[in-house]
Amino acid sequence: NAGVTQTPKFQVLKTGQSMTLQCAQDMNHEYMSWYRQDPGMGLRLIHYSVGAGITDQGEVPNGYNVSRSTTEDFPLRLLSAAPSQTSVYFCASTQTPGGNEQFFGPGTRLTVL
Amino acid sequence: AQSVTQLDSQVPVFEEAPVELRCNYSSSVSVYLFWYVQYPNQGLQLLLKYLSGSTLVKGINGFEAEFNKSQTSFHLRKPSVHISDTAEYFCAVKSGGSNYKLTFGKGTLLTVNP
Repeated sequence: NAGVTQTPKFQVLKTGQSMTLQCAQDMNHEYMSWYRQDPGMGLRLIHYSVGAGITDQGEVPNGYNVSRSTTEDFPLRLLSAAPSQTSVYFCASTQTPGGNEQFFGPGTRLTVL
Repeated sequence: AQSVTQLDSQVPVFEEAPVELRCNYSSSVSVYLFWYVQYPNQGLQLLLKYLSGSTLVKGINGFEAEFNKSQTSFHLRKPSVHISDTAEYFCAVKSGGSNYKLTFGKGTLLTVNP
């Protein structure tokens, strides 16, 4: 199993540009989520999905869109990038609710100029 | 609502010294508790978790944590640290039942010096 994969690893955008961060998992997990990590802030939940066709907002959803057309994929779209979206983005997945651990991807480091 | 407080943002220690990283949580229901480690420029890796049962939980790399319900704490400990333990450590809480959401603390940077 590849686990949770994310592409790209690094990205530089100009203000106003749009892009999609890709996330895929091969563990048949129901739940997938996107976090952003900023210094001194820990990880904050952006959006999450409990299954194909079902998504919901997390703690910091503004400026981001998601969709879940398949169990495996959960892309994160930046509609019009802003410098405040400079961050490291992590995708995670877990099998079921309860005590199962979340598995994290390696992250995407995004810089918005 | 659930929340996590990591009381120390940075903890410097010398190699072979013991270390404790502190974590307090709040939740109105039963909880599952986790510690994750992030090595430089990498993703997060699970160290250990508390689901139920024994309050002392052992994890990978010689770490352990103790769940204290009355003090709503889940402190992480290691009796003797190595240089390779230098990393950021995150405490996280998930409420019981059908909840998927994991709430993280802000992290503690452990720096082990020779």
